Amino acid sequence: GAVVSQHPSRVICKSGTSVKIECRSLDFQATTMFWYRQFPKQSLMLMATSNEGSKATYEQGVEKDKFLINHASLTLSTLTVTSAHPEDSSFYICSARDYKPEAFFGQGTRLTVV
Amino acid sequence: GESVGLHLPTLSVQEGDNSIINCAYSNSASDYFIWYKQESGKGPQFIIDIRSNMDKRQGQRVTVLLNKTVKHLSLQIAATQPGDSAVYFCAENWSFGNEKLTFGTGTRLTIIP
Repeated sequence: GAVVSQHPSRVICKSGTSVKIECRSLDFQATTMFWYRQFPKQSLMLMATSNEGSKATYEQGVEKDKFLINHASLTLSTLTVTSAHPEDSSFYICSARDYKPEAFFGQGTRLTVV
Repeated sequence: GESVGLHLPTLSVQEGDNSIINCAYSNSASDYFIWYKQESGKGPQFIIDIRSNMDKRQGQRVTVLLNKTVKHLSLQIAATQPGDSAVYFCAENWSFGNEKLTFGTGTRLTIIP
């Protein structure tokens, strides 16, 4: 299957700071990338969908000014959690797809805000 | 449909036995389905997919069955191994080519040695 690399895998930051998470498709061009959030023992909740070169589409209830998404190229999307607070602590996962419907996931990023 | 579960259903299976994981989806317009496996602390891993014009698809040790009449999807894993222990999610796509996947609640599969 296709390879999606997510970095970092773990990050601890202080409350009020910003954290950037990168998602890269390594062996295909990702026309669309998705960002999910997952709480312990729960399913994945879609936060936003991003297409290369255009603004991300956020799901209802997701603050676009807090979770900044940039999809500057066909192989890279970034999620920046701005002014992070402890309640933002979670497992963030990206996925990517090209023109085919199946999406491939990154390894996830465990964010802990202290 | 949308996943709102707080507690994952669990399934324990003896090593070597077959396992069946079930999923109910909510949108009759969904026409593409995927099963993912997620190990602890990792992202979901694609297992197998099926389109709505099929009712069965087989892979290596896995079979997906689709019953559109009752909006039910199942994943069968043959001859389970310890490495099969994980959380399994079904995901549905509402129209072919539509971007969003909606994930089910997930089932935690534990293989008993």
